[in-house]
Amino acid sequence: QQPVQSPQAVILREGEDAVINCSSSKALYSVHWYRQKHGEAPVFLMILLKGGEQKGHDKISASFNEKKQQSSLYLTASQLSYSGTYFCGTDSAAGGTSYGKLTFGQGTILTVHP
Amino acid sequence: DGGITQSPKYLFRKEGQNVTLSCEQNLNHDAMYWYRQDPGQGLRLIYYSQIVNDFQKGDIAEGYSVSREKKESFPLTVTSAQKNPTAFYLCASSIRDGAYEQYFGPGTRLTVT
Repeated sequence: QQPVQSPQAVILREGEDAVINCSSSKALYSVHWYRQKHGEAPVFLMILLKGGEQKGHDKISASFNEKKQQSSLYLTASQLSYSGTYFCGTDSAAGGTSYGKLTFGQGTILTVHP
Repeated sequence: DGGITQSPKYLFRKEGQNVTLSCEQNLNHDAMYWYRQDPGQGLRLIYYSQIVNDFQKGDIAEGYSVSREKKESFPLTVTSAQKNPTAFYLCASSIRDGAYEQYFGPGTRLTVT
């Protein structure tokens, strides 16, 4: 089942902060975050793994609550370049083995104005 | 330069024709994936492969086929059995499993009329 992202859309002024949430009904092995600009390929932002490990860009922060199967992406001091659609992808590692089989949320559209 | 390439960028076909989308990577990644994206929607997994000569169906495999004869290549064929093939198709690769980021190609926009 597809994870649920909230909010669906966010509008910010440069310098403002935002939080994007991702919630799954399944126990998760990992949560991936990507940003996609219109007509382009998604770009990797962050991976959060069961057990606490995180991999990603220095300027991006995120959290992963394993008990609630929820993840949040924190965007601080937003810049114009942050505009785009943010997707979370979840890997439930069905059967106990991860194949990187990601199920993506419907996306959160972030618009940053000057 | 290491990366993942898809060709062509735009593809137009008549209904009833099979069409093959190319995906090549020189990152030496074991795993490769095909996703479909419809306007305003998230990505949906079509097929994935963890190793040469092996692949598994994703969530929406009906009407599609793949092959993985070489580590670098994972072509996707959209068959005439796919009822609504017009979409943006994205190929991705990763080192191995869900603990590693997926690198995406630039995508192929397929239009079938």
